[in-house]
Formats: sequence, C-alpha cells, structure tokens
Amino acid sequence: GNSVTQMEGPVTLSEEAFLTINCTYTATGYPSLFWYVQYPGEGLQLLLKATKADDKGSNKGFEATYRKETTSFHLEKGSVQVSDSAVYFCALTAGGGNKLTFGTGTQLKVEL
Amino acid sequence: KAGVTQTPRYLIKTRGQQVTLSCSPISGHRSVSWYQQTPGQGLQFLFEYFSETQRNKGNFPGRFSGRQFSNSRSEMNVSTLELGDSALYLCASSLEGTGTHEQYFGPGTRLTVT
Repeated sequence: GNSVTQMEGPVTLSEEAFLTINCTYTATGYPSLFWYVQYPGEGLQLLLKATKADDKGSNKGFEATYRKETTSFHLEKGSVQVSDSAVYFCALTAGGGNKLTFGTGTQLKVEL
Repeated sequence: KAGVTQTPRYLIKTRGQQVTLSCSPISGHRSVSWYQQTPGQGLQFLFEYFSETQRNKGNFPGRFSGRQFSNSRSEMNVSTLELGDSALYLCASSLEGTGTHEQYFGPGTRLTVT
C-alpha cells in the first residue's frame, strides 16, 4: 500500500535558520505530493503541491521538489520565522481519487 | 468565497450514543473526504464522496458511515460510540476527484466520548 515517512520531531530552530523536513514515500503509480500545515487548534492548510516528477512546489518561502528517483519530497525554507511554528504533514494521493495518505507530522518550533 | 465549514465544532457524547457531523464544502466543489485525527494514530482516511457516490473507504468499522447530498454537503455518522472514537474529525473538499487538485480542509469537529 501507499505510505509516507517523515522525520520525527519536534524540530526547534532559531529565527532566520534554514529548515529542512525530510519526507519519503512509497506509492503505486505516479502519486501527487503535498505538504500541509496545521496551526494549533485549526484544520489543515495546503502549503504546496507537486503532481509530477521534477516539479517544484513553492509557497510563502517554502519549497519542495518531487524526486522520483529517491521517492522524496523534502520541505525547505531558507529563513524561518516564529510564525512558522506549526505541525507540518507530508501527504500523497495515488491511484485516482482524493484519498490522502499522511505522514505522522513534524512539529516545528521557531524561537527568537 | 467561503471556506469549508463543519458543524458542530465541539461535541461531547456518552459511550453507546450515536453522533452526526456535518460538512459544507466550498461552493462548486463536488468531492468531500473525511479524516480522523488522533494523537496515537495520526490522520486516517475515513471515506470520500464524489457526486453523491462513495468512491473510497478507509479501514474503519461499519459503525462509521457517511453520505453526500445533491448540493455536495456531506454528513458522517458514528453509531454506538466508543471511547476510542474521541478525535478531531476533519472534512476536506476539492473541485474534482482526480487526486491532483487542492483539497481544502475545514476547522474540524472535536468529538469527546465519555
């Protein structure tokens, strides 16, 4: 079956530090890949997506590149802010339909 | 354009009771999916509806059921509640059902079973 593995948290960074959250996947066919963010007490917000190999998704300074050869979709940001503190989920859809398979989530805490 | 709305936002029920949760998708969206979020199991897919038809179902017991109406609004029902059903239930809507379109999530319904 499909699965997503992302790095364990929590990740604690100082403001303006570089962020990488690793995500790898196993899927049949050609999945679409997503990063979602969840702020405390809220639902999930789509951060970025990529639907085919070598696509780069980007939004709000965050980027992730769909790497088919390494089955990865790592999230990066060059300079994090305190407001980026949240839980980040890597996810995929595959085989048609909208069923999202999520990773376990990585909590990010950014300190001044 | 209004986002995905879910009602109620919070709910407390007793074991053995049943509950119905409601989700109104973004206007024009035809696909609605439901997820259960718990600290132990994370985010797990419950089911997906597209144009009033259930297209996909996760690995949950038959106590969990859902439906979609002609206006795309969706409800999920949990019968004979168990303590383990305490969770945040999230609904997501999408324009189409291809898996490549953005899915927009509602704020969730926090269900507590005592």
